[in-house]
Amino acid sequence: DAGITQSPRHKVTETGTPVTLRCHQTENHRYMYWYRQDPGHGLRLIHYSYGVKDTDKGEVSDGYSVSRSKTEDFLLTLESATSSQTSVYFCAISRQGQETQYFGPGTRLLVL
Amino acid sequence: GIQVEQSPPDLILQEGANSTLRCNFSDSVNNLQWFHQNPWGQLINLFYIPSGTKQNGRLSATTVATERYSLLYISSSQTTDSGVYFCAVGGTGTASKLTFGTGTRLQVTL
Repeated sequence: DAGITQSPRHKVTETGTPVTLRCHQTENHRYMYWYRQDPGHGLRLIHYSYGVKDTDKGEVSDGYSVSRSKTEDFLLTLESATSSQTSVYFCAISRQGQETQYFGPGTRLLVL
Repeated sequence: GIQVEQSPPDLILQEGANSTLRCNFSDSVNNLQWFHQNPWGQLINLFYIPSGTKQNGRLSATTVATERYSLLYISSSQTTDSGVYFCAVGGTGTASKLTFGTGTRLQVTL
């Protein structure tokens, strides 16, 4: 258990509304990641962070922004949610000097 | 970008049977991980194995980096092994960005 929590765990929202998902870790790991999981695609990297205020884009970053103002929190924001962003969102961490990734429990988002 | 293919896509086994899952990737990697997603959605890291062989109980994995494939072996399968197995590859450096395959869905029956 890498001490990762995600909130909310489930959310239903309407097209055009802003949504923020939170990933919180308790062990001060440097690296954090946001993935989305969709049928037929496995998991795809959205954004990642390599330290406070240090973030970069992943494979499917369009329509998403992130922020990391504290080591323990990595926020994913959908500025104006669309139905194509209906998905399960996973946060992950990796430890300094290690490549192994550990995942949070996921957030199921439905955009109507 | 790098392509990751997993086979078979679906597998049904009786309890006690053995199985081999395969992961092929299209380019050189120095980071390869296997994950199990249980029926409740939780993703568990099984192995970090960019090359060589590792074993953990009834599970073992082998990666032949020069031939761009990895194998996950499950012996004496149990119903708790059911779920989806993902292979993910990437590089090393400032962050271990991973590209996932689409998974092998395993169902173990009594």
